[in-house]
Amino acid sequence: NAGVMQNPRHLVRRRGQEARLRCSPVKGHSHVYWYRQLPEEGLKFMVYLQKENIIDESGMPKERFSAEFPKEGPSILRIQQVVRGDSAAYFCASSPPGRTGELFFGEGSRLTVL
Amino acid sequence: AQSVTQLDSQVPVFEEAPVELRCNYSSSVSVYLFWYVQYPNQGLQLLLKYLSGSTLVKGINGFEAEFNKSQTSFHLRKPSVHISDTAEYFCAVSQQGGSEKLVFGKGTKLTVNP
Repeated sequence: NAGVMQNPRHLVRRRGQEARLRCSPVKGHSHVYWYRQLPEEGLKFMVYLQKENIIDESGMPKERFSAEFPKEGPSILRIQQVVRGDSAAYFCASSPPGRTGELFFGEGSRLTVL
Repeated sequence: AQSVTQLDSQVPVFEEAPVELRCNYSSSVSVYLFWYVQYPNQGLQLLLKYLSGSTLVKGINGFEAEFNKSQTSFHLRKPSVHISDTAEYFCAVSQQGGSEKLVFGKGTKLTVNP
């Protein structure tokens, strides 16, 4: 793994609480992608961000979900008022500037909603 | 838009046997093609990628894949598998000229038995 760091690795929330997932990309990478993996499903694209900009959020649910990648600090995926259906593994990936054809993935954050 | 179909959700094989994991894609534009491997409770690791050039691509751990444009396929092969190859394998595509955003298949669970 090229060093994408995600935390927490495991998160348990009760329905109605907020979940915040953090992602620090590989040093020097300026592009961050978030994916969600449901049981028995592949990874589904959620959002693509560059520093301080959301480039493509076509996979983000319209409500309760938001993402940011500030100038300083990690990228944050925020889920408000979680429901059981939000239980999944959330993966962050990063890529360097320019087109290299590869995403570097973190080990994921596994959210369980009780 | 692109889509990826992995025809087999599970593939059991015996150690030292050959294996082929099938992947077909659909796209109205030219694409790049990837295979990723996911070990239990871990993130995704790139096995190999096709960007251009030779249609036979060699990757890590003895895997290779062949891009067949007429059949829109990118099947993954290994001539002799090991127990340690037990994992889930994902085929993915991204749009040429676009971002690194990947569209994934649902995955194939490869189980190598002694």
